[in-house]
Amino acid sequence: DQQVKQNSPSLSVQEGRISILNCDYTNSMFDYFLWYKKYPAEGPTFLISISSIKDKNEDGRFTVFLNKSAKHLSLHIVPSQPGDSAVYFCAASGGNTGKLIFGQGTTLQVKP
Amino acid sequence: DTAVSQTPKYLVTQMGNDKSIKCEQNLGHDTMYWYKQDSKKFLKIMFSYNNKELIINETVPNRFSPKSPDKAHLNLHINSLELGDSAVYFCASSLDRGDGLGYGYTFGSGTRLTVV
Repeated sequence: DQQVKQNSPSLSVQEGRISILNCDYTNSMFDYFLWYKKYPAEGPTFLISISSIKDKNEDGRFTVFLNKSAKHLSLHIVPSQPGDSAVYFCAASGGNTGKLIFGQGTTLQVKP
Repeated sequence: DTAVSQTPKYLVTQMGNDKSIKCEQNLGHDTMYWYKQDSKKFLKIMFSYNNKELIINETVPNRFSPKSPDKAHLNLHINSLELGDSAVYFCASSLDRGDGLGYGYTFGSGTRLTVV
């Protein structure tokens, strides 16, 4: 029973264009959502987060949108750069358990 | 200056052996975690400790035993290794037990365990 799902295993985008990574969740009790970026042979690194009381959070080229009614969030990267090529994980947390539940990741390739 | 360091990075061992993976963080965080990334690439929590106290213990075989001598260290010991234990194991830490709400976890670079 996977509570956080990233249904697109991969995405290829041209440099300079927008990358949109999607994530769906099933548990309405989640109160924080996070995106992580992972390069090969490295650990995931925190990218951006959003509280469930907001619908948008922006940090430079990265914007996360949250649609609670649809239980859907997305990460927009504008403009995409070759260095953004990595695996992106969506994660969610609920309550004070200290537990993050991760999606299975989407591999983004940004072509020069 | 590594924030979360885990050793070894690679571990190849035979079935039935006992092995340990060590993790240390120098961020002053209160909570540490072990996650497992399986062959399907899912990252799943195994354990978490807050100030040396076990707070999360997911459905993990009891061959896996975490040990936290202090809040900066969380080691993972695995007894009687099986082929299915082959995976990448990530250590992580966060500011408090609230999963570092909004701050996220800081992950180590992972230990790739291969059981042959």
